[in-house]
Amino acid sequence: QVQLVQSGSELRKPGASVKVSCKASGYTFTTYGMNWVRQAPGQGLEWMGWIDTNTGTPTHAQGFTGRFVFSLDTSLSTAYLQISSLKAEDTAVYYCARELLGGRSIDIWGQGTTVTVSS
Amino acid sequence: QSALTQPPSASGSPGQSVTISCTGTSSDVGGYNYVSWYQQHPGKAPKLMIYEVTKRPSGVPDRFSGSKSGNTASLTVSGLQAEDEADYYCTSYGGSSNLVFGGGTKVTVL
Repeated sequence: QVQLVQSGSELRKPGASVKVSCKASGYTFTTYGMNWVRQAPGQGLEWMGWIDTNTGTPTHAQGFTGRFVFSLDTSLSTAYLQISSLKAEDTAVYYCARELLGGRSIDIWGQGTTVTVSS
Repeated sequence: QSALTQPPSASGSPGQSVTISCTGTSSDVGGYNYVSWYQQHPGKAPKLMIYEVTKRPSGVPDRFSGSKSGNTASLTVSGLQAEDEADYYCTSYGGSSNLVFGGGTKVTVL
C-alpha cells in the first residue's frame, strides 16, 4: 500500500542542524510531488512548501526560506527536509505529505517527525 | 498568504450534524475548486476527508460532505459519532503552486 515513513524524533541544540527523511513506498516516487508541513506544539498545520520529485525544483512558503532546504534521493524514493541554525521556535512535528491534483491538495501523510530544539 | 479562517470549536450531540466553515479570499477559496478537509486525532497524522470541495476519498463515510459558496467552504458531518471528535483543517490552493491551511476547528461530540 502507499505509505510514507519518516525518520525518528530528533533533539538538537540551538544553532545546530537537523535532517528529516521521508521514504515513500507503494507508488512511483517521481510521479507525485512531496509537501512539508509543520505543526508546532498545540498549534495548527502550516504548509512549508513542496518539491517536484521529477525535476527537484522546490517551492517554499513565505517564512520557510533560507534555513529550510528540501532535497531528494530518487534512487531511494526518499525526500529530505534539512533545517539549519535551529531555534527554539522550530520545535514542532514535521510531516511529509504526498501531493494530489498537481500540487493543489495533499492525500497521503507520513507519521510525523518530532524535532525538539533545546539547550 | 494569510491562513484561512475557521472557528476554533464546534460541537454536537451523537446523531446530530455539525458544520465547519473555512473562509478565505478570491485568491484562494473563491478562486479555485481545490478545497480539501483533513481530520486529525490527537497524536496522529492528518487524514484526507474531502478534496476538490465535494469529493470523498475511498473509505471516507458519506456522513462527511463538503460545499463552497463564494470565498467560504464548509464541511458538514452528519450523524455525529464519538470517533468524529477530532481537529479538522481546511486547505485551499492559492495559485503559484502554493497551498494555505485554515487554523483548525476542534469538534467535540457532546
